[in-house]
Amino acid sequence: DAKTTQPPSMDCAEGRAANLPCNHSTISGNEYVYWYRQIHSQGPQYIIHGLKNNETNEMASLIITEDRKSSTLILPHATLRDTAVYYCIVRVGGTGGFKTIFGAGTRLFVKA
Amino acid sequence: DAGVIQSPRHEVTEMGQEVTLRCKPISGHDYLFWYRQTMMRGLELLIYFNNNVPIDDSGMPEDRFSAKMPNASFSTLKIQPSEPRDSAVYFCASSIGTKVEKLFFGSGTQLSVL
Repeated sequence: DAKTTQPPSMDCAEGRAANLPCNHSTISGNEYVYWYRQIHSQGPQYIIHGLKNNETNEMASLIITEDRKSSTLILPHATLRDTAVYYCIVRVGGTGGFKTIFGAGTRLFVKA
Repeated sequence: DAGVIQSPRHEVTEMGQEVTLRCKPISGHDYLFWYRQTMMRGLELLIYFNNNVPIDDSGMPEDRFSAKMPNASFSTLKIQPSEPRDSAVYFCASSIGTKVEKLFFGSGTQLSVL
């Protein structure tokens, strides 16, 4: 699976959009981009995933560049409860051989 | 659905003792994963099962660790004998083996080996 690079930490003001970048320059055509987050002392929580197109759900939006070498997770109106570690993971799709490997992630601090 | 259920929530034991962590996956999920999290090493995948069969245990640190899944609704991770360096949060996760996989994690077991 492709390696990802994320900034170790970011700050965001409450109510503003939080834009979390992820580089995955070695991504291959059949690899998906996943985002999870981990709020302190809890298990990681799935947020969103995408292959080529931009995606949006009730939690966030995922913007993937046309060459697929990077992506951005957008929390449109960050709240204090969004303070967490955010993990960008690239993993091949398809059944069998599932191994979701977590890197260090980005620690997002949402400030009042 | 109650989600992935892990027990105990906290475990404190002495070095050399046997420790058993338990996990009940979400009903209908056919993949089960055990992760360990420490400050130094982050989240590490230890082992995962598909339809109760271990598929990849390459992340299991050493022979002191063993995992079983006797049926679709129960899995255990055992450490025998335990050592202080095993102190960590152990997470269990489950998923449905479709093309796009979403992992659902339990609340974890905080293990302290004294």
